[in-house]
Amino acid sequence: AQTVTQSQPEMSVQEAETVTLSCTYDTSENNYYLFWYKQPPSRQMILVIRQEAYKQQNATENRFSVNFQKAAKSFSLKISDSQLGDTAMYFCALIPGTSYGKLTFGQGTILTVHP
Amino acid sequence: DTGVSQDPRHKITKRGQNVTFRCDPISEHNRLYWYRQTLGQGPEFLTYFQNEAQLEKSRLLSDRFSAERPKGSFSTLEIQRTEQGDSAMYLCASSLDGGLRPQHFGDGTRLSIL
Repeated sequence: AQTVTQSQPEMSVQEAETVTLSCTYDTSENNYYLFWYKQPPSRQMILVIRQEAYKQQNATENRFSVNFQKAAKSFSLKISDSQLGDTAMYFCALIPGTSYGKLTFGQGTILTVHP
Repeated sequence: DTGVSQDPRHKITKRGQNVTFRCDPISEHNRLYWYRQTLGQGPEFLTYFQNEAQLEKSRLLSDRFSAERPKGSFSTLEIQRTEQGDSAMYLCASSLDGGLRPQHFGDGTRLSIL
């Protein structure tokens, strides 16, 4: 079984600053896929960034980057130059490599970006 | 690509009634997932289809729940004899194959049981 833990229920940041959201996970699989999804208020969930566990290089997507520490089973999300539109619930999620694609989600972190 | 669409957006019903939700995935996507999300929590997996075959059901899915995906296109999720604990957001997602390929989510159907 897989577990994903997000220990920060809420975070806030000033516009244009940088914020890091934490995520730890547990899985017995050697290969797996990690994701960060964003769910704005009353809007649909969208993919922010993804990482394959056997790739050492941290993924980046524009202002979003991850710090993947495989040994520590940690997968944090860094948002640079925060924008008001980044205000949302952020979910860390995992798919085991042997799975067809069932996502296991963390509890979520509510991020508020202040002007 | 019109995205994943779900209908209805909101459903209010009395306890004991049956409800049915519909999900239309992205047309070329062969995989379809249903998740349930309660307020302030992450989504929890309910069931998965590859084409028209239902390949896994979560233990969360009691025998009051049934899902279908006829012809591998749209899917329906039915809840019979609804209970207060069924109140949640029901999310549908689709993907092309699995692994690192992202799942695209619909807006969800919010179910409220009176």
